[in-house]
Amino acid sequence: QKEVEQDPGPLSVPEGAIVSLNCTYSNSAFQYFMWYRQYSRKGPELLMYTYSSGNKEDGRFTAQVDKSSKYISLFIRDSQPSDSATYLCAMSITGANSKLTFGKGITLSVRP
Amino acid sequence: EAQVTQNPRYLITVTGKKLTVTCSQNMNHEYMSWYRQDPGLGLRQIYYSMNVEVTDKGDVPEGYKVSRKEKRNFPLILESPSPNQTSLYFCASKRTVTYNEQFFGPGTRLTVL
Repeated sequence: QKEVEQDPGPLSVPEGAIVSLNCTYSNSAFQYFMWYRQYSRKGPELLMYTYSSGNKEDGRFTAQVDKSSKYISLFIRDSQPSDSATYLCAMSITGANSKLTFGKGITLSVRP
Repeated sequence: EAQVTQNPRYLITVTGKKLTVTCSQNMNHEYMSWYRQDPGLGLRQIYYSMNVEVTDKGDVPEGYKVSRKEKRNFPLILESPSPNQTSLYFCASKRTVTYNEQFFGPGTRLTVL
Protein backbone atom coordinates (compact mmCIF):
# COMPACT_ATOMS: atom_id res chain seq x y z
CA GLN A 1 0.00 0.00 0.00
CA LYS A 2 1.37 3.40 -0.99
CA GLU A 3 1.82 5.95 1.78
CA VAL A 4 -0.49 8.47 0.11
CA GLU A 5 -3.25 7.59 -2.32
CA GLN A 6 -5.09 10.14 -4.39
CA ASP A 7 -7.91 9.61 -6.87
CA PRO A 8 -6.21 9.69 -10.28
CA GLY A 9 -8.92 11.58 -12.18
CA PRO A 10 -9.08 13.55 -14.38
CA LEU A 11 -12.10 15.42 -13.13
CA SER A 12 -14.27 17.72 -15.22
CA VAL A 13 -17.02 19.88 -13.71
CA PRO A 14 -19.19 22.80 -14.86
CA GLU A 15 -18.47 26.28 -13.58
CA GLY A 16 -20.13 26.89 -10.22
CA ALA A 17 -19.99 23.26 -9.10
CA ILE A 18 -18.72 22.14 -5.71
CA VAL A 19 -15.59 20.06 -6.13
CA SER A 20 -14.39 17.46 -3.65
CA LEU A 21 -10.82 16.19 -3.85
CA ASN A 22 -9.63 13.42 -1.55
CA CYS A 23 -6.55 11.60 -0.35
CA THR A 24 -6.02 8.68 1.98
CA TYR A 25 -2.82 7.79 3.76
CA SER A 26 -1.38 4.91 5.71
CA ASN A 27 1.28 6.53 7.93
CA SER A 28 -0.33 7.57 11.20
CA ALA A 29 2.72 9.72 12.02
CA PHE A 30 1.71 12.36 9.46
CA GLN A 31 0.75 15.54 11.27
CA TYR A 32 0.86 18.29 8.64
CA PHE A 33 -1.46 18.10 5.68
CA MET A 34 -1.23 20.32 2.66
CA TRP A 35 -2.84 20.92 -0.68
CA TYR A 36 -0.79 22.23 -3.56
CA ARG A 37 -2.09 23.58 -6.83
CA GLN A 38 -0.02 23.17 -9.98
CA TYR A 39 -0.87 24.99 -13.16
CA SER A 40 0.40 23.64 -16.45
CA ARG A 41 4.12 24.30 -16.95
CA LYS A 42 4.48 25.73 -13.45
CA GLY A 43 5.77 24.54 -10.10
CA PRO A 44 3.36 23.55 -7.32
CA GLU A 45 2.16 26.35 -5.05
CA LEU A 46 0.84 25.88 -1.54
CA LEU A 47 -2.91 26.35 -1.40
CA MET A 48 -3.75 25.32 2.16
CA TYR A 49 -2.26 23.50 5.09
CA THR A 50 -3.73 22.01 8.24
CA TYR A 51 -2.11 20.70 11.36
CA SER A 52 -3.68 17.52 12.78
CA SER A 53 -7.43 16.95 12.49
CA GLY A 54 -10.05 19.55 11.75
CA ASN A 55 -11.26 21.98 9.13
CA LYS A 56 -9.73 25.09 7.67
CA GLU A 57 -11.47 27.53 5.40
CA ASP A 58 -9.98 30.13 3.08
CA GLY A 59 -12.41 31.84 0.77
CA ARG A 60 -13.91 29.25 -1.56
CA PHE A 61 -11.55 26.53 -0.32
CA THR A 62 -12.04 24.25 2.68
CA ALA A 63 -9.54 21.65 3.82
CA GLN A 64 -10.64 18.81 6.07
CA VAL A 65 -8.51 16.29 7.92
CA ASP A 66 -9.84 13.17 9.61
CA LYS A 67 -6.88 11.48 11.26
CA SER A 68 -9.00 8.65 12.67
CA SER A 69 -9.90 7.62 9.13
CA LYS A 70 -6.58 8.74 7.63
CA TYR A 71 -8.49 10.79 5.09
CA ILE A 72 -8.13 14.37 3.91
CA SER A 73 -10.29 16.42 1.58
CA LEU A 74 -10.24 19.71 -0.26
CA PHE A 75 -13.55 21.31 -1.17
CA ILE A 76 -13.84 24.05 -3.75
CA ARG A 77 -17.09 26.00 -3.75
CA ASP A 78 -18.39 27.93 -6.73
CA SER A 79 -15.62 26.52 -8.91
CA GLN A 80 -14.20 28.80 -11.60
CA PRO A 81 -12.37 28.07 -14.86
CA SER A 82 -9.28 29.59 -13.20
CA ASP A 83 -9.37 26.67 -10.73
CA SER A 84 -8.45 24.33 -13.58
CA ALA A 85 -5.14 22.82 -12.49
CA THR A 86 -3.60 19.73 -10.96
CA TYR A 87 -4.15 19.42 -7.23
CA LEU A 88 -1.68 17.51 -5.11
CA CYS A 89 -2.11 16.50 -1.52
CA ALA A 90 1.03 16.38 0.58
CA MET A 91 1.83 15.32 4.11
CA SER A 92 4.73 15.47 6.51
CA ILE A 93 5.81 14.55 9.99
CA THR A 94 7.96 16.66 12.27
CA GLY A 95 11.56 15.55 12.29
CA ALA A 96 14.98 16.02 10.82
CA ASN A 97 13.77 16.31 7.26
CA SER A 98 10.01 16.82 7.54
CA LYS A 99 9.95 16.01 3.85
CA LEU A 100 6.72 16.16 1.97
CA THR A 101 5.13 12.94 0.77
CA PHE A 102 2.89 13.75 -2.17
CA GLY A 103 -0.12 12.12 -3.71
CA LYS A 104 0.09 11.63 -7.47
CA GLY A 105 -2.21 14.56 -8.16
CA ILE A 106 -5.58 14.95 -9.82
CA THR A 107 -6.20 17.19 -12.82
CA LEU A 108 -9.33 19.32 -12.50
CA SER A 109 -11.00 21.03 -15.43
CA VAL A 110 -13.77 23.56 -14.78
CA ARG A 111 -15.89 24.11 -17.90
CA PRO A 112 -17.29 27.62 -18.48
CA GLU B 1 10.12 39.40 -6.10
CA ALA B 2 10.57 36.39 -3.83
CA GLN B 3 11.23 33.39 -6.00
CA VAL B 4 13.05 30.19 -6.76
CA THR B 5 14.72 30.12 -10.14
CA GLN B 6 15.99 27.14 -12.10
CA ASN B 7 18.13 26.88 -15.20
CA PRO B 8 17.84 25.60 -17.78
CA ARG B 9 14.08 25.22 -18.11
CA TYR B 10 14.40 22.65 -20.87
CA LEU B 11 17.33 20.38 -21.67
CA ILE B 12 17.86 17.54 -24.10
CA THR B 13 21.09 15.63 -23.66
CA VAL B 14 22.66 12.25 -24.37
CA THR B 15 23.51 9.38 -22.08
CA GLY B 16 26.69 9.90 -20.10
CA LYS B 17 27.15 13.62 -20.69
CA LYS B 18 27.50 15.34 -17.32
CA LEU B 19 25.08 18.13 -16.63
CA THR B 20 24.15 20.56 -13.88
CA VAL B 21 20.78 22.11 -13.19
CA THR B 22 21.11 25.28 -11.16
CA CYS B 23 18.70 26.43 -8.47
CA SER B 24 18.74 29.75 -6.68
CA GLN B 25 16.41 31.37 -4.12
CA ASN B 26 16.34 34.97 -2.95
CA MET B 27 14.39 34.49 0.27
CA ASN B 28 17.30 33.62 2.58
CA HIS B 29 15.80 30.19 3.15
CA GLU B 30 17.79 27.60 5.06
CA TYR B 31 16.10 24.52 3.62
CA MET B 32 16.30 23.55 -0.04
CA SER B 33 15.27 20.41 -1.82
CA TRP B 34 15.12 18.74 -5.23
CA TYR B 35 12.18 16.70 -6.51
CA ARG B 36 11.43 14.84 -9.67
CA GLN B 37 7.92 14.50 -11.04
CA ASP B 38 6.97 11.54 -13.20
CA PRO B 39 3.57 10.48 -14.58
CA GLY B 40 1.94 7.93 -12.32
CA LEU B 41 4.59 8.40 -9.63
CA GLY B 42 4.03 11.97 -8.51
CA LEU B 43 6.67 14.13 -6.86
CA ARG B 44 9.56 12.35 -5.18
CA GLN B 45 12.37 13.92 -3.22
CA ILE B 46 15.89 13.42 -4.55
CA TYR B 47 18.09 15.33 -2.10
CA TYR B 48 17.62 18.00 0.50
CA SER B 49 19.75 20.48 2.41
CA MET B 50 18.94 21.88 5.82
CA ASN B 51 21.61 24.55 5.59
CA VAL B 52 24.95 25.44 4.02
CA GLU B 53 27.24 22.40 3.75
CA VAL B 54 24.49 20.10 5.10
CA THR B 55 22.93 17.77 2.52
CA ASP B 56 21.23 14.40 2.71
CA LYS B 57 19.51 11.84 0.53
CA GLY B 58 15.83 11.83 -0.15
CA ASP B 59 13.81 8.95 -1.54
CA VAL B 60 15.44 8.61 -4.98
CA PRO B 61 19.06 9.85 -4.78
CA GLU B 62 20.72 7.30 -7.08
CA GLY B 63 22.49 8.93 -10.01
CA TYR B 64 22.39 12.44 -8.57
CA LYS B 65 24.70 14.68 -6.58
CA VAL B 66 24.14 18.03 -4.93
CA SER B 67 26.17 20.67 -3.18
CA ARG B 68 25.31 23.58 -0.92
CA LYS B 69 28.26 25.94 -0.73
CA GLU B 70 26.13 29.07 -0.47
CA LYS B 71 22.77 29.57 1.16
CA ARG B 72 21.03 30.74 -1.98
CA ASN B 73 22.24 28.06 -4.43
CA PHE B 74 21.57 24.33 -4.57
CA PRO B 75 22.69 22.80 -7.88
CA LEU B 76 21.68 19.30 -8.97
CA ILE B 77 24.41 17.36 -10.74
CA LEU B 78 23.95 14.35 -12.98
CA GLU B 79 27.43 12.91 -13.46
CA SER B 80 26.41 10.32 -16.06
CA PRO B 81 22.77 10.82 -17.07
CA SER B 82 20.73 7.84 -18.20
CA PRO B 83 17.35 7.69 -19.99
CA ASN B 84 15.57 6.75 -16.76
CA GLN B 85 16.47 10.21 -15.47
CA THR B 86 14.24 11.80 -18.09
CA SER B 87 11.81 13.71 -15.92
CA LEU B 88 10.50 17.06 -14.74
CA TYR B 89 12.67 18.42 -11.94
CA PHE B 90 11.67 20.94 -9.29
CA CYS B 91 13.80 22.80 -6.82
CA ALA B 92 12.08 24.02 -3.67
CA SER B 93 12.97 26.04 -0.60
CA LYS B 94 11.48 26.97 2.73
CA ARG B 95 12.49 29.15 5.63
CA THR B 96 13.61 26.35 7.95
CA VAL B 97 13.26 22.58 8.13
CA THR B 98 10.19 22.85 10.40
CA TYR B 99 8.44 25.55 8.43
CA ASN B 100 5.40 24.48 6.46
CA GLU B 101 5.29 26.56 3.33
CA GLN B 102 7.61 25.33 0.61
CA PHE B 103 8.20 27.43 -2.50
CA PHE B 104 8.80 25.63 -5.76
CA GLY B 105 10.74 26.73 -8.81
CA PRO B 106 9.22 26.62 -12.31
CA GLY B 107 10.70 23.25 -13.18
CA THR B 108 13.32 21.86 -15.55
CA ARG B 109 12.22 19.37 -18.16
CA LEU B 110 15.12 17.01 -18.86
CA THR B 111 15.24 14.49 -21.66
CA VAL B 112 18.14 12.01 -21.79
CA LEU B 113 18.49 10.21 -25.11
